[in-house]
Amino acid sequence: QVQLVESGGGVVQPGGSLRLSCATSGFTFSSSGMHWVRQAPGKGLEWLTFIPNDGSFQYYAHSLQGRFTVSRDNSKNTLYLQMSSLGAEDTAVYFCVKDPELYFWGQGNLVTVSS
Amino acid sequence: DIQMTQSPASLSASVGDSVTITCRASQGISTHLAWFQQKPGRVPELLIYAASTLQSGVPARFSGSGSGTDFTLTISSLQPEDVATYYCQKYDTARRTFGQGTKVEIK
Repeated sequence: QVQLVESGGGVVQPGGSLRLSCATSGFTFSSSGMHWVRQAPGKGLEWLTFIPNDGSFQYYAHSLQGRFTVSRDNSKNTLYLQMSSLGAEDTAVYFCVKDPELYFWGQGNLVTVSS
Repeated sequence: DIQMTQSPASLSASVGDSVTITCRASQGISTHLAWFQQKPGRVPELLIYAASTLQSGVPARFSGSGSGTDFTLTISSLQPEDVATYYCQKYDTARRTFGQGTKVEIK
């Protein structure tokens, strides 16, 4: 079965950087595009970024202002989200989501930006 | 970019009531619209895709309609287990914007 497991979250200081990973199994990762979605505490869902199966381009939400970079390693079946210049507004649970289906989500990983 | 606007932000209704949530896209998205239900502390679950197709296992009291820019999610007879926040999401392109969410409570 499809499994998506995020990791790499935790507490980071304002202005810091963090890299999230999404380890996948149960499907052909190299054939699937992937998304990142986040949810701040008590807030709604926010789509962040998409990367196609071959990593040939990326789409980002304008709100990220170039601070985040999505990438993938098809040899490791793993998706990444490199986050920099983090601020309190980036505190959220981060989910990876498989494309094109709408229902394969990871369990989420909490990132807390705090001094 | 296409914006998704949901209304109302919250609603309170009695068990057995019919409730309707609306979602408006700033540009036409055909029927590339999904509805999700999210309960506190849980991952969002897909209810409806293609604007009106019920995901397998979802109770028939949920229904969706619309195309182009205007969409609705209806719960025909609200049940206590339907307390949740509901989100619409467009998927006409890989930029999968969500609506702001509608919190549904029991009166």
